[in-house]
Formats: sequence, structure tokens, C-alpha cells
Amino acid sequence: NAGVTQTPKFRVLKTGQSMTLLCAQDMNHEYMYWYRQDPGMGLRLIHYSVGEGTTAKGEVPDGYNVSRLKKQNFLLGLESAAPSQTSVYFCASSYWESSEQYFGPGTRLTVT
Amino acid sequence: GIQVEQSPPDLILQEGANSTLRCNFSDSVNNLQWFHQNPWGQLINLFYIPSGTKQNGRLSATTVATERYSLLYISSSQTTDSGVYFCAATEYNFNKFYFGSGTKLNVKP
Repeated sequence: NAGVTQTPKFRVLKTGQSMTLLCAQDMNHEYMYWYRQDPGMGLRLIHYSVGEGTTAKGEVPDGYNVSRLKKQNFLLGLESAAPSQTSVYFCASSYWESSEQYFGPGTRLTVT
Repeated sequence: GIQVEQSPPDLILQEGANSTLRCNFSDSVNNLQWFHQNPWGQLINLFYIPSGTKQNGRLSATTVATERYSLLYISSSQTTDSGVYFCAATEYNFNKFYFGSGTKLNVKP
């Protein structure tokens, strides 16, 4: 099993550009999450999904959109990137809401 | 949401020393996890421990849910233990996972 994978690993964007980050899990988990980690801080929840076709806002949802069209995939979109979105983005999944979360390797995004 | 506080924020150890990291949370939780973020940024699951005690090699963890804290013990530390240790918790009836700000550990040879 690959667990949780993320693509791409690195990306540099210019202000105003758009992009999509892909998260995939092969553990048949219902719940998936997108977090961002800024220097010297813990992770903060952006959006999450409790199942295929459902999404919900986390702590810091502004400037991001998500979609969960397939159970195994969770997409994070930036429509118009801003320098404040420079961060490391982590995806995670869990079987249900209070079970163990498994994290992907992260995507380092720089917006210039 | 719940508040998750970790202490100490920074810790320097000589290889072979033992240490205890603490995580306090402000409300009842139904999920408590400890992670190690290595120097390459990868998050590694250490323990899923909403209550009780678990051990895995040189590491062990205890969560006392009624007193709202969790402890991570590292014994006979090694340089590969360096990195940042995070605890994270979910409160009842919510899907959101709240992270502490971490303990940065540096183990010197």
C-alpha cells in the first residue's frame, strides 16, 4: 500500500496563478483533510471531507476550494494564488472521525 | 475549538538522555495523536492514544483524559530522534483536528 500520496512535491507560482494539489489514499478511508503548515507552527486545517461528494470548511478555508469526486482522491485548489499562501501543504486521511490520521509527504508551495 | 498546548517549546539533549514532553488540552477529546516531524518535513505517526498508556521501543505515551494531558517519553535518546514533536486532538462530535505548536528536540552526539 502506498498510503497517502501527494502531487506535486514542490511548486512555485506567481501571484494570481491557479493550481490544484492532488491527494490520493489507498486505504479506503472515508475522511480526508487538507492542512497547511507555516514556519515554526503546527498544522492548521483548511478543508476536510467526510465522504465522497462532501466537503466542509476548516480553520483557514479562505482562498481555497476542494473537491472529493472519488473516495480515494481529495483535490485542493488555489484559484488566484497570493504570497500569504506560501506554505507546506499536507493531506491526511482517516477511517472515521476519531480514528488515527495518516499523513502524506507534503507539498511545498511558494507564491512569488 | 479546543486549545492544545505543548511544553517545552525547545529541548536540547545529549545522546543517551531521557526526556518527557507534555501536551495539555482544554476540553475532552476523543482522539489524541503524537507525531514526529523529521528534519525532512515528513510527519510520522508515533501514537494514537486518546487514553491509557502505550509503548513502542524507546518511546512511550500516556494520556490522562480526565486531567486533560498527555505525555510522551523518550528514553535513551538518539540523534535520529531530533525534529519536532506534535500532539494533536479532536474534540467530541467534531471532525477537526487541532495541533499544538510542537516541541523542537535537538539530540546532540
